[in-house]
Amino acid sequence: GEDVEQSLFLSVREGDSSVINCTYTDSSSTYLYWYKQEPGAGLQLLTYIFSNMDMKQDQRLTVLLNKKDKHLSLRIADTQTGDSAIYFCAPGWDSGAGSYQLTFGKGTKLSVIP
Amino acid sequence: ETGVTQTPRHLVMGMTNKKSLKCEQHLGHNAMYWYKQSAKKPLELMFVYNFKEQTENNSVPSRFSPECPNSSHLFLHLHTLQPEDSALYLCASSPFGGSDSGNTIYFGEGSWLTVV
Repeated sequence: GEDVEQSLFLSVREGDSSVINCTYTDSSSTYLYWYKQEPGAGLQLLTYIFSNMDMKQDQRLTVLLNKKDKHLSLRIADTQTGDSAIYFCAPGWDSGAGSYQLTFGKGTKLSVIP
Repeated sequence: ETGVTQTPRHLVMGMTNKKSLKCEQHLGHNAMYWYKQSAKKPLELMFVYNFKEQTENNSVPSRFSPECPNSSHLFLHLHTLQPEDSALYLCASSPFGGSDSGNTIYFGEGSWLTVV
């Protein structure tokens, strides 16, 4: 099965850029996702990248994928206090038999210092 | 508002109780999921339903019993749970359950379960 590793904590100052890193083991994932979870809430889909891409930009979010090293990162530009949350990396994979799945890391808790 | 609604948001139950969690999706999706999020482990997939058929049971104890009467509704029936089952139970849906060509999974807000 897939293993996903993320740093547990990241602290940045408001206005700086945040970079959240993720490594995974299964190279068969064709789509890799980033989710955000605020306290007491469910998971909000932020963005995703197709595995044949190196980079995807969506407003303040930039996703970088190094497929050779199985490394995914999420950069948040001009980080705001509202970005404080837990961020999950989640490679998607098809287990067969009509069962598409995501494997989650433990999540990175981003704290933004005003 | 993600289009996936879970009720109740909070549930406290005794170990001998029987209760159910409900999930409804308004996205026209065909696949629905139950995930468990506890403090000690990463998010764990429990069950997958594709076109109302269960396609994945991730070695979940029988005290958790899912039901999917149609593609828009998913239930998790709970019976004789243990305190270690206390967790956030997240429902999710996606357009389809098979090929992963951009098959995006959307989550509900979750149901916080406490077993006493």
